[in-house]
Parts: sequence; structure tokens; C-alpha cells
Amino acid sequence: EDKVVQSPLSLVVHEGDTVTLNCSYEVTNFRSLLWYKQEKKAPTFLFMLTSSGIEKKSGRLSSILDKKELFSILNITATQTGDSAIYLCAGLSNSGYALNFGKGTSLLVTP
Amino acid sequence: GAVVSQHPSRVICKSGTSVKIECRSLDFQATTMFWYRQFPKQSLMLMATSNEGSKATYEQGVEKDKFLINHASLTLSTLTVTSAHPEDSSFYICSASRLVNTEAFFGQGTRLTVV
Repeated sequence: EDKVVQSPLSLVVHEGDTVTLNCSYEVTNFRSLLWYKQEKKAPTFLFMLTSSGIEKKSGRLSSILDKKELFSILNITATQTGDSAIYLCAGLSNSGYALNFGKGTSLLVTP
Repeated sequence: GAVVSQHPSRVICKSGTSVKIECRSLDFQATTMFWYRQFPKQSLMLMATSNEGSKATYEQGVEKDKFLINHASLTLSTLTVTSAHPEDSSFYICSASRLVNTEAFFGQGTRLTVV
């Protein structure tokens, strides 16, 4: 059975800190891993990672995939209170469109 | 681009009535749309996969007759919660993908409260 495990489940940091969120996966016929940020409503897309070792960046956020070890990390540098959210990772297989979500990491950035 | 609109954002209904939720891809064609349910402080649980012009594929444990899904066009899918009960109260979210194996874009979600 496919599964996606995120750690930690929750995290509290101070503004300016750097955080690393982890996502390990076991997805049959794996295609890609996706990261989403969920605030009060629906998730918003952050990254889609298909190839190993290629870092994707967007501002203070970056992510990388390791297909050999079956995990991905999401880094946030110089955190701000607006980064407070639940970060979800999801696995996508070649055999379907549907995403298999992890339980999420709840990040709280305090002033 | 890649905007998915979900309506309504919030609905309160009486027990026993039916509620329809719409999911539209505004600027792209989505051959497949997905419906998720999310309980408080939990992750998204896939309910069903909706393909344009064909019957939806439901996940195990999801009642087909209770959660009716229609994908009438490449830009519209609807979820109807029939004979709603308080335990159906939840946050329902749709997502849509342009092509196979591409990222999914989410609607704003619908907060359903059944009283």
C-alpha cells in the first residue's frame, strides 16, 4: 500500500530561523512528489519534483528529491510569520492522477 | 493561469437535504478532477476521481449513492451530497489537472455544515 510520511508533524520556530521539513514516500510506480502549502483553506501548489538531485527554488523556499532514498525535503530560510501553515507533500504515480498525501507538517513561526 | 473555482465556499443545510458543490477550471481544460474530504487537523482524503464523460471512480469506503459526482464537461465537475447528515459535515476540496502526471490545482474548498 502506498504511503507518504511527513515529519515532524508540528514545528514552532522564531522568525528568521531556517526550517527543514521531511517527506518520505513509498509510491508504486512513482512519478513525482509535490509540495503544497495549506493555510486556512485549500492547498496551494509549491513544487513538483520528478528528478533526483535537482533543487527547485522559489524565493526563500527550496526543495529537493532523492529517489534512491525515497524522500524529499522542503527548506524555508529566514522564516516569516506568513510562512505559518500546514505543509503537505503528496506522491504521484505514473498509473494515475490522484495524489497520495502525507498528514502534513504544521509550522508555526512566532515573531 | 491554472485557476480552479469551487462554489459555494460555505453552506449550511438541514439534515436530510441534498447539497451540490461545483468545481470549475477557469482557464484550462481538466480531463480529470478529484474530490477530497478533509477533517479538522487531518490531511486530505481522496473520495473519488472524476473523468469527463464517464463515471467517477470512488475510493474504498466512499458511498457512491451518497456522494454523487458528475463531470459533464472539461471544465466542470459537481459533487452532490445526498440526504446529508451531521456526520457529513466537513471541508470538501476539489482539484484539477491539465494533463496526465502534472500538478493538481485546488479549488478554494467548501465548508459543509449539516444541522
